[in-house]
Amino acid sequence: DQQVKQNSPSLSVQEGRISILNCDYTNSMFDYFLWYKKYPAEGPTFLISISSIKDKNEDGRFTVFLNKSAKHLSLHIVPSQPGDSAVYFCAASAPYGGATNKLIFGTGTLLAVQP
Amino acid sequence: DVKVTQSSRYLVKRTGEKVFLECVQDMDHENMFWYRQDPGLGLRLIYFSYDVKMKEKGDIPEGYSVSREKKERFSLILESASTNQTSMYLCASQFRGPKLFFGSGTQLSVL
Repeated sequence: DQQVKQNSPSLSVQEGRISILNCDYTNSMFDYFLWYKKYPAEGPTFLISISSIKDKNEDGRFTVFLNKSAKHLSLHIVPSQPGDSAVYFCAASAPYGGATNKLIFGTGTLLAVQP
Repeated sequence: DVKVTQSSRYLVKRTGEKVFLECVQDMDHENMFWYRQDPGLGLRLIYFSYDVKMKEKGDIPEGYSVSREKKERFSLILESASTNQTSMYLCASQFRGPKLFFGSGTQLSVL
């Protein structure tokens, strides 16, 4: 079963507007959440993260919100730029032991920012 | 900056061949991971390693094995390649925290 879900396979937004990407999870033991951005034929790159003890983290144009009671997080990009067009993956961290954390990824959302 | 290098960007193999995918990281990270990415399925964990010669199965280990003889190198082995193993393979390393650093990926086609 899918523990991390991104229910929107794609999203199209006008340049300058806000992009909101959503992610839901089922396991309340997840202690950290991350967003990765991926361009075609490249590896994912880290974007922003949030600890389960927080409800918001901001980094420039990117903000991640966490609602633990709803087991839901969202990534806000404002203003959106054409260079933001990529696949965005939500990931949840499950501690394995010691200093090892397994990341469980969602299925991804393809964001297209129209000029 | 962390550098994770995957030896091949594109690879074409025949069904039944033994395939080696190599990954090297330059930051002395303890943990290394192999994922595959398929459309509509996201990234799925195949195997990971938290120390030299140590390995753990991920969510989809069937048909794969791994080798970690040196800390900086983590190899994924397809014992007998099949067409359903056509995919983008992503290697990553990790150091004291959940953040993963990914390589550029290897697009493997099995014909």
